[in-house]
Amino acid sequence: EDKVVQSPLSLVVHEGDTVTLNCSYEVTNFRSLLWYKQEKKAPTFLFMLTSSGIEKKSGRLSSILDKKELFSILNITATQTGDSAIYLCAPRNTDKLIFGTGTRLQVFP
Amino acid sequence: DTEVTQTPKHLVMGMTNKKSLKCEQHMGHRAMYWYKQKAKKPPELMFVYSYEKLSINESVPSRFSPECPNSSLLNLHLHALQPEDSALYLCASSQDFQRGVTPYEQYFGPGTRLTVT
Repeated sequence: EDKVVQSPLSLVVHEGDTVTLNCSYEVTNFRSLLWYKQEKKAPTFLFMLTSSGIEKKSGRLSSILDKKELFSILNITATQTGDSAIYLCAPRNTDKLIFGTGTRLQVFP
Repeated sequence: DTEVTQTPKHLVMGMTNKKSLKCEQHMGHRAMYWYKQKAKKPPELMFVYSYEKLSINESVPSRFSPECPNSSLLNLHLHALQPEDSALYLCASSQDFQRGVTPYEQYFGPGTRLTVT
């Protein structure tokens, strides 16, 4: 059975801190891994990773995939209160995205 | 433009009602999806449409009936729902959907918060 584990489940930091969110997976017929940010409603697309070792960056966010060890990390540097959200990791197999339960990040001023 | 729109934003319905959820995208995407998300849980896939044809039905009860009138529109018809069907219903789209081939990112709409009384 496909499995996605995100850690930590919850994280509380102060503005300016750097955080690392982890996602490990066991997915049959793995094709790619996506990261989403979910605030009150719709998940917002952040990154799609298909190759190992190639870091994707967008502003203060970056992510990398290790297909040999079956994990991905999402880094956020210089966190801001607007980064407070649930971060969802979703590996994709041939058919669909398989979402993890997410990491809830709270950033306080 | 990566916008997916959904209507209504909120819906309250009784167990005997019939209602529909609507989703629209104008990104030229050929794949559209329905997800259900319960509180504090991740989204769960319900249906996938590819080129207006149903590609995946994740064993969803027949009281949920999807419809894809054209490549920009996706409906979810609801009938005789149960209180446990109360959830956030999310629509998503992607450029394409082909089993096992090039992956495409999915873009989500804001969702419809459904309450069944």
